[in-house]
Amino acid sequence: GQQVMQIPQYQHVQEGEDFTTYCNSSTTLSNIQWYKQRPGGHPVFLIQLVKSGEVKKQKRLTFQFGEAKKNSSLHITATQTTDVGTYFCAGPPGTYKYIFGTGTRLKVLA
Amino acid sequence: NAGVTQTPKFQVLKTGQSMTLQCAQDMNHNSMYWYRQDPGMGLRLIYYSASEGTTDKGEVPNGYNVSRLNKREFSLRLESAAPSQTSVYFCASRDMGQPDTEAFFGQGTRLTVV
Repeated sequence: GQQVMQIPQYQHVQEGEDFTTYCNSSTTLSNIQWYKQRPGGHPVFLIQLVKSGEVKKQKRLTFQFGEAKKNSSLHITATQTTDVGTYFCAGPPGTYKYIFGTGTRLKVLA
Repeated sequence: NAGVTQTPKFQVLKTGQSMTLQCAQDMNHNSMYWYRQDPGMGLRLIYYSASEGTTDKGEVPNGYNVSRLNKREFSLRLESAAPSQTSVYFCASRDMGQPDTEAFFGQGTRLTVV
């Protein structure tokens, strides 16, 4: 069945360092979405990528969708303590079934 | 604007007890979801409802039942709770008719089965 894996599972960085998480799907995705979950909170939508090779930026965050639409990445430049949390990708294999990746937990050390 | 509301926020059950987690959304979304989140396991889909009157199994449906009562409400029932069902449960909704089909989540229900 559909699997969406993320690496790494955990990442500790010093404040100011960059951070990247990767999302890999076993099947081609029609689109992919990214969410952030703060500690003790619920997932909150960040962005959606639809086109092959698409790149979108939100301030210090850069999102990419692979050419084959099977992988994606989220890169954070110059991390801040406010970036702490778990980042999930989500790629619906079908129209309604909505599967999340395993998540990458980011800790930022001040 | 309440969004997605889950009740209760916390619950402790004894093994074998039953309970229903309630979820309601006020965004007129057609699709609703139940996930569980365990440490290091990410979000796993239990059941989903594409539209009112339909429900389908997700990745981990065993031990759960759901009811899509109407367009607003989607409940999750544990008939005989087990310690393995200790988890944080999230309800979510999406509107599949829109281009940006983001999911909106409730605050979660923290369930402990002893």
